[in-house]
Amino acid sequence: AQKITQTQPGMFVQEKEAVTLDCTYDTSDQSYGLFWYKQPSSGEMIFLIYQGSYDEQNATEGRYSLNFQKARKSANLVISASQLGDSAMYFCAMRAIQGAQKLVFGQGTRLTINP
Amino acid sequence: EAGVAQSPRYKIIEKRQSVAFWCNPISGHATLYWYQQILGQGPKLLIQFQNNGVVDDSQLPKDRFSAERLKGVDSTLKIQPAKLEDSAVYLCASSSRRPNTGELFFGEGSRLTVL
Repeated sequence: AQKITQTQPGMFVQEKEAVTLDCTYDTSDQSYGLFWYKQPSSGEMIFLIYQGSYDEQNATEGRYSLNFQKARKSANLVISASQLGDSAMYFCAMRAIQGAQKLVFGQGTRLTINP
Repeated sequence: EAGVAQSPRYKIIEKRQSVAFWCNPISGHATLYWYQQILGQGPKLLIQFQNNGVVDDSQLPKDRFSAERLKGVDSTLKIQPAKLEDSAVYLCASSSRRPNTGELFFGEGSRLTVL
């Protein structure tokens, strides 16, 4: 079974600062993918970034980067130069590469960017 | 490219009534998912279709929930009879390819309130 844990219910950050959202996971699968999604107040889930378990380099997408530490089973999201529009719920998720590949989500972290 | 379409966006019913939600995935996407997101929690997978076959319905409360995917395209999720604890947002998502990097594309969700 797969499990995602996000221990920060809420985070408050000043605009233009960097922020790290924590995510730890547990799985018995050897090959898996890790995802981060953003959910604004409007409700849609927006894909941000992906990291494969065998990828040697940390994934980056614009202002988003994923700090992947396989031995610690952590996949933290780093947002650089935060903007007011970054205020939203953020979900970490994972799926196995083999098998049914369902996406399992964590509880989420609510990020608030202060001006 | 059109996104995942869902309807209705909002629905209010009384307990023991029935409700149905509709989803039209992105054209060509073989895999379709229904997730339930209770307020303050991460999405939980209810059912996953590959074309018109069920891949995973292990968390679907089959005594009251049913889902079908006609001809491997549109899908309908039905709840009958509804309970108070079914109040949630029902998210439909689709993905295009089997490999690990295929992120899920989500619709805007259908918000259900059971009174």
